Amino acid sequence: IAGITQAPTSQILAAGRRMTLRCTQDMRHNAMYWYRQDLGLGLRLIHYSNTAGTTGKGEVPDGYSVSRANTDDFPLTLASAVPSQTSVYFCASSAGQNTGELFFGEGSRLTVL
Amino acid sequence: SQQGEEDPQALSIQEGENATMNCSYKTSINNLQWYRQNSGRGLVHLILIRSNEREKHSGRLRVTLDTSKKSSSLLITASRAADTASYFCATEDTGRRALTFGSGTRLQVQP
Repeated sequence: IAGITQAPTSQILAAGRRMTLRCTQDMRHNAMYWYRQDLGLGLRLIHYSNTAGTTGKGEVPDGYSVSRANTDDFPLTLASAVPSQTSVYFCASSAGQNTGELFFGEGSRLTVL
Repeated sequence: SQQGEEDPQALSIQEGENATMNCSYKTSINNLQWYRQNSGRGLVHLILIRSNEREKHSGRLRVTLDTSKKSSSLLITASRAADTASYFCATEDTGRRALTFGSGTRLQVQP
């Protein structure tokens, strides 16, 4: 059982470039989330989707966009990367809209130079 | 802004000792959850306690919740070197649509 798969695991990116972080789940969960984790700040929610076709903004959405064309995939796009977006990005999912247990991917480490 | 704040930020103990981590939060919640993160890995769910519960057990884990004080504690009994990890509390606020995480406690268990 794969659970949540994120790609790439690590990426170095020049500032100004466009980047898409991929997230796929095989649990048929309705809700999916993108968090970023920075040292000393814990995890902060970027965007979420309660079900396919809907998305919402989290705590730190600026500079990021998401789409939810189907249940399984929830890509996160940085249209024009900046150094402050250097972080570890985690995708997560939960069975229902009212959260409950979250299942996390292994993370994507992004460095913007 | 963060909802949960863990205390202490770091904790070092000997194998066999108990480890206690605390979490404080600010608003009304539906539930509070604890997660574990090994270095370089994703978070793994440990336990969920609902706002109408005061205590919950799972194996060597004991979680308490005091909604009047807006605080929770995670107790790991008889710790093992393999318990070395970061531990995060997360709250599901009433009216919100996702969990809000604290900044975590780094636990080091010395063999």
